[in-house]
Amino acid sequence: AQSVTQLGSHVSVSEGALVLLRCNYSSSVPPYLFWYVQYPNQGLQLLLKYTSAATLVKGINGFEAEFKKSETSFHLTKPSAHMSDAAEYFCAVSEWGSNYKLTFGKGTLLTVNP
Amino acid sequence: NAGVTQTPKFQVLKTGQSMTLQCAQDMNHNSMYWYRQDPGMGLRLIYYSASEGTTDKGEVPNGYNVSRLNKREFSLRLESAAPSQTSVYFCASSDGLLDTQYFGPGTRLTVL
Repeated sequence: AQSVTQLGSHVSVSEGALVLLRCNYSSSVPPYLFWYVQYPNQGLQLLLKYTSAATLVKGINGFEAEFKKSETSFHLTKPSAHMSDAAEYFCAVSEWGSNYKLTFGKGTLLTVNP
Repeated sequence: NAGVTQTPKFQVLKTGQSMTLQCAQDMNHNSMYWYRQDPGMGLRLIYYSASEGTTDKGEVPNGYNVSRLNKREFSLRLESAAPSQTSVYFCASSDGLLDTQYFGPGTRLTVL
């Protein structure tokens, strides 16, 4: 069965600092992995996804994530935080055995301080 | 092109009342989904429809029913609302099960 663990329910960074949001997954088969962002009072929007091509995936708004099979991780990074990055971020996994249904992590709230 | 639309945006129910949440997409997607979002729980799948004419249970289906009315529309019904169903409900759609899901703006439901 697939599952996702996001380490840290709340991460706070200064504007211009590195953003690192952690995601570890459990899957019995090669997974597909996703990062979604949710701005206040809005639905979720896809940031990026990994579907077994390049292990370093670039997404929108300067975010990227690296798939590391040996560590079962898919951490999200951005070199320099902007105030507009403040939002909640969700990691999600899907796999063939679950009929490709998405399983979400519990989310990490990112706060960006001026 | 509105994407995924949901109605209503907000709803307050009393315990035992029934209601239907509506969802429509204009992207000609095959697959549609209903999730609920609770604080600290992430999103959990209630029901999904892989294609028109099919529906399947997700992680938390108890207390809900769904109808895939046509390719565009996927409704979620609460027959007898309970306080435990207080949540924010999101509808999503995708071209296929493997493809990116696009989310609606959500319905905030409170059951008293």
